[in-house]
Amino acid sequence: DGGITQSPKYLFRKEGQNVTLSCEQNLNHDAMYWYRQDPGQGLRLIYYSQIVNDFQKGDIAEGYSVSREKKESFPLTVTSAQKNPTAFYLCASSIARDAGANVLTFGAGSRLTVL
Amino acid sequence: AQSVTQPDIHITVSEGASLELRCNYSYGATPYLFWYVQSPGQGLQLLLKYFSGDTLVQGIKGFEAEFKRSQSSFNLRKPSVHWSDAAEYFCAVGVYSSASKIIFGSGTRLSIRP
Repeated sequence: DGGITQSPKYLFRKEGQNVTLSCEQNLNHDAMYWYRQDPGQGLRLIYYSQIVNDFQKGDIAEGYSVSREKKESFPLTVTSAQKNPTAFYLCASSIARDAGANVLTFGAGSRLTVL
Repeated sequence: AQSVTQPDIHITVSEGASLELRCNYSYGATPYLFWYVQSPGQGLQLLLKYFSGDTLVQGIKGFEAEFKRSQSSFNLRKPSVHWSDAAEYFCAVGVYSSASKIIFGSGTRLSIRP
């Protein structure tokens, strides 16, 4: 079955450490996205990529970095510059590059906790 | 700036009762509109979407939503809820521009009373 796989599901990090969250899709979707979810705040866009080797900042990109070297993969690195990284992170993809008009398919999420 | 408002943070309804979840948006043109559902600790799943045409749209799991342009609303309804409907529901607006993206509301948590 096609879908989006996020790993790890749970991750604990010490302050000052960088961590990388994996996102892999086998849907042949062009566009991929990273969202951060905090209680009561809905989903906020961190980064998105409409094509391989290209990506754009979303609303809350500070302290995060991404790469898009392969169509299937869009890893997110949470750097030590992110002041409040504890959150639930969701990866999504869509069939076409126009994000506004497309249904998003989501992974099951990764929960990051900073100790 | 575009925005989505879900005024109800938490709603509790009895099993078998009807449900309406409110969603209002702010956008200069007719937007693309979505409702997603999220079970605890999981990703989001699309319930339904509105792009154009008939303003009453049907979705999965017996849900429907009505687009009202005059009220900038896209409320979600279900005639009779089941215990399995307990989840968090997100309204979203698709913004079509040079920075096309989906803007999500803050969500409404639905609890079901036995």
